[in-house]
Amino acid sequence: DGGITQSPKYLFRKEGQNVTLSCEQNLNHDAMYWYRQDPGQGLRLIYYSQIVNDFQKGDIAEGYSVSREKKESFPLTVTSAQKNPTAFYLCASSIDLGSNSNQPQHFGDGTRLSIL
Amino acid sequence: AQSVSQHNHHVILSEAASLELGCNYSYGGTVNLFWYVQYPGQHLQLLLKYFSGDPLVKGIKGFEAEFIKSKFSFNLRKPSVQWSDTAEYFCAVNTPNFGNEKLTFGTGTRLTIIP
Repeated sequence: DGGITQSPKYLFRKEGQNVTLSCEQNLNHDAMYWYRQDPGQGLRLIYYSQIVNDFQKGDIAEGYSVSREKKESFPLTVTSAQKNPTAFYLCASSIDLGSNSNQPQHFGDGTRLSIL
Repeated sequence: AQSVSQHNHHVILSEAASLELGCNYSYGGTVNLFWYVQYPGQHLQLLLKYFSGDPLVKGIKGFEAEFIKSKFSFNLRKPSVQWSDTAEYFCAVNTPNFGNEKLTFGTGTRLTIIP
């Protein structure tokens, strides 16, 4: 079955550490996204990528970094500069046919990050 | 920039009750509208979407939503809820001008169905 795989499901970080969250998709989608979900705040876009080797900041990119070396993979690094990293992180992908924006996004199961 | 408001943060209903969850957006141009659902322990999945045509959209599991352009609304409805509808529901909007990357989500509505 095609889908999006996020790992790990739970992640703990010490103060001052960088951690990387994995996201892999086998849907052959061009576009991939990272969201942060906090209680009462919905989903907020961190970074997105429409094509390999290209990515753009979303609404809350500070303290995060990404790479897109392969179409299937879009890892997110939560750096020590992110002062409030405890959250639920969701990865998504979509076909992204240029201006054909009515194609829905498909989501992974998420990674819950906590600070020790 | 567009924004999405979901005024109901937590809704509690008994089984067989009718459901309406509110969603309002704040963009004056052409929009695409989505409802996503997140069942406990599961990933977000698409319930339904509207991008053109009939403003009354039918989705999976008996849900429907009506796009009312004059009210900037896209409320989600179901005539008779079941215990299995317990989940968090998110309304989202994007615009053809900006493409898929500008998908803006509401804060979500937690729905609890009492057997």
